[in-house]
Amino acid sequence: SQQGEEDPQALSIQEGENATMNCSYKTSINNLQWYRQNSGRGLVHLILIRSNEREKHSGRLRVTLDTSKKSSSLLITASRAADTASYFCVHLKETSGSRLTFGEGTQLTVNP
Amino acid sequence: DSGVTQTPKHLITATGQRVTLRCSPRSGDLSVYWYQQSLDQGLQFLIQYYNGEERAKGNILERFSAQQFPDLHSELNLSSLELGDSALYFCASSVGQLATNEKLFFGSGTQLSVL
Repeated sequence: SQQGEEDPQALSIQEGENATMNCSYKTSINNLQWYRQNSGRGLVHLILIRSNEREKHSGRLRVTLDTSKKSSSLLITASRAADTASYFCVHLKETSGSRLTFGEGTQLTVNP
Repeated sequence: DSGVTQTPKHLITATGQRVTLRCSPRSGDLSVYWYQQSLDQGLQFLIQYYNGEERAKGNILERFSAQQFPDLHSELNLSSLELGDSALYFCASSVGQLATNEKLFFGSGTQLSVL
């Protein structure tokens, strides 16, 4: 499977602070993606980083990828209460596509 | 709005019953994926269809089955329901079979409660 392992499992911060979540994986990848899930809702795609990229930005999101360490991190800057959600990483394996399997995710709570 | 439509949003039924969950993918998407999310199991991949054919299978029980129709909508059938089948069932779609830069678009889910 293409399961990512997110760390930490839970993170609680104050509004305005930065939040960093990490993801590790075990196989070679084509790309790695981050998704957000608000409580009880469907997952929403946040950002995709390709295996030949090291860093990518999208608004207040910054994703890094270290293929030598098989790890990625998601940084949310200047967090807001609306960022409270679960965050999942998932990667697409190089050799076969379809079984994207999600890990347990990181539950982020941003306190106002 | 992701463009993926799931019906019904909520479903309450009894043990032993059979239900059908429906998913309409985004316009133009050929792949449909089904996921089950429960508190103790997390988000579990069940099955994927591409253009009407089954392409990948995950932890789907034998009591569950799915299909994708010529108009590309998909149905997930759950039979002989047990209490443990209570969960949020998500459908997702993608253009193809997750080539290099593809992403998944998720529906809002069907909350199934088995009493």
